[in-house]
Amino acid sequence: LAKTTQPISMDSYEGQEVNITCSHNNIATNDYITWYQQFPSQGPRFIIQGYKTKVTNEVASLFIPADRKSSTLSLPRVSLSDTAVYYCLVLTEGDYKLSFGAGTTVTVRA
Amino acid sequence: NAGVMQNPRHLVRRRGQEARLRCSPMKGHSHVYWYRQLPEEGLKFMVYLQKENIIDESGMPKERFSAEFPKEGPSILRIQQVVRGDSAAYFCASSPDSSHEQYFGPGTRLTVT
Repeated sequence: LAKTTQPISMDSYEGQEVNITCSHNNIATNDYITWYQQFPSQGPRFIIQGYKTKVTNEVASLFIPADRKSSTLSLPRVSLSDTAVYYCLVLTEGDYKLSFGAGTTVTVRA
Repeated sequence: NAGVMQNPRHLVRRRGQEARLRCSPMKGHSHVYWYRQLPEEGLKFMVYLQKENIIDESGMPKERFSAEFPKEGPSILRIQQVVRGDSAAYFCASSPDSSHEQYFGPGTRLTVT
């Protein structure tokens, strides 16, 4: 499994854009980049997945450069309710053993 | 469509007692996964089950821990003779097939006193 590195924490204010970068230098050709979100006292929730270039959904955007050695999760115009831990995972199709590291704790202040 | 259900949400046990954690997967999901989250750590895989079968228990401690997913009823994670180090949040996830697209329950927080 490709190892990932992401910042431990980030602080932001309501209405700002938050960008979390994850490094995955030894990502393999068949690997996908997947992000989960975990609120306090809840289980993780899948938010976005991508292979290359850019993916956007109603929650976030995921930017992946051509070399795929890193990726950036972008949360537009955050609100207080976006305060959570965000996990970057690199997975191959069929992987079921999800391994969550410490993640990035995003704190949004008023 | 109800999500993954876990109960109890909080469980307190004294050292040496047994803990039984229950997980009902989402409707239509026949694959269940259990994870453990120790304080200040990320979730770690414990076991993967399908109905009546344990597919992968490589993350499960060899002693005192067992899991089952019977033909009828919820999946059960059982911890015998609990110790303080078992205190953690235990999460269950389910999927319609063997997949990383897993849907997590709210977790059971086990406290061993």
